[in-house]
Amino acid sequence: DAKTTQPPSMDCAEGRAANLPCNHSTISGNEYVYWYRQIHSQGPQYIIHGLKNNETNEMASLIITEDRKSSTLILPHATLRDTAVYYCIVRVEGAQKLVFGQGTRLTINP
Amino acid sequence: GAGVSQTPSNKVTEKGKYVELRCDPISGHTALYWYRQSLGQGPEFLIYFQGTGAADDSGLPNDRFFAVRPEGSVSTLKIQRTERGDSAVYLCASSPLAGTWNEQFFGPGTRLTVL
Repeated sequence: DAKTTQPPSMDCAEGRAANLPCNHSTISGNEYVYWYRQIHSQGPQYIIHGLKNNETNEMASLIITEDRKSSTLILPHATLRDTAVYYCIVRVEGAQKLVFGQGTRLTINP
Repeated sequence: GAGVSQTPSNKVTEKGKYVELRCDPISGHTALYWYRQSLGQGPEFLIYFQGTGAADDSGLPNDRFFAVRPEGSVSTLKIQRTERGDSAVYLCASSPLAGTWNEQFFGPGTRLTVL
């Protein structure tokens, strides 16, 4: 699986959009970009995934660059409950396991 | 509905002892995964079951670790001769079918402390 690079930490004000970047410059054509988050003392929670098109669901939006070498997870109106570690994962088609890096610790400030 | 449950939530044991950690997946989920998370790190894959069989056990660190899923539902992770380095949170996840797009639903984990 391709390696991902994320900033170790970020801060965002409550109510503002949180934009979390991820670099995956060695991604190959059959690899998807997944985002999970882990709130303190809980297991990871799926957020969203995509291949090459931008995706949106009730939790977030995923913007993937045209060359697919990077992506951004957008939480449009961050709340205090969005404080968590966010993991960007590249997963090859057909693979079962998730390969987690160290993620970005996002802190939402009141 | 009920999510993935894991018992116990905390386990403290002494070096050299044997421990069993249990995972109850979401009903009907055929795929089951075990991960281990050390302090400050992301989860690390251990083993994946499709039904009753271990389809990928490449993440098990050594032969002290073993996992079973005899009826294709509940799974038990077994650790023999525990070492202090085994201290971690052990996470279980399940998904309805094996496949790239299927999200994995995680339990809250079992925190294992080896003294």
